[in-house]
Amino acid sequence: KQEVTQIPAALSVPEGENLVLNCSFTDSAIYNLQWFRQDPGKGLTSLLLIQSSQREQTSGRLNASLDKSSGRSTLYIAASQPGDSATYLCAPVLEEAEKLVFGKGTKLTVNP
Amino acid sequence: KAGVTQTPRYLIKTRGQQVTLSCSPISGHRSVSWYQQTPGQGLQFLFEYFSETQRNKGNFPGRFSGRQFSNSRSEMNVSTLELGDSALYLCASSLDRGYGGYTFGSGTRLTVV
Repeated sequence: KQEVTQIPAALSVPEGENLVLNCSFTDSAIYNLQWFRQDPGKGLTSLLLIQSSQREQTSGRLNASLDKSSGRSTLYIAASQPGDSATYLCAPVLEEAEKLVFGKGTKLTVNP
Repeated sequence: KAGVTQTPRYLIKTRGQQVTLSCSPISGHRSVSWYQQTPGQGLQFLFEYFSETQRNKGNFPGRFSGRQFSNSRSEMNVSTLELGDSALYLCASSLDRGYGGYTFGSGTRLTVV
């Protein structure tokens, strides 16, 4: 059974800091991995998708890396802004199943 | 292009009733998945449909069911509602097996009283 762990569970930083969110998963037989953000009471917004054959993906101030063999992914956020405040979720997709498996997420607060 | 549309946005139901939620995927997407989100359990997979067939099912009781129509729109049904069914229900669409990633709708907030 795939288990996903995200560290830290919560993070509070001042505006402008660079930060790293960590995700680990137990089953490395994944098809791809997706990072999402969720604002309170809202749906999930996709941030980055990394295919299993890729090492990293970048979009603006966001960079995600994937080490499939060790079961780890990292989301790097540069020059954080108050608008980045949200819960960040990582979700690998198992090769054997057509579904996302989610961690509990990291709740990020960026203070002005 | 239009995103994933879920209706209704909010629902209040009484214990014992049943409810039907609807999801319209992105045009061209044939896979629709459903997830339940609660504060205690987080996001949990309910089921996934592709070309009108259920391909995968999570660990939920039989009161939770779904279907997919020929136009890829999907519905999920919960019968004999319990207080614990109160949750945010999210629908996600993809081309197939997450190819190109999943896109989520805004969800349906179900409250059972």
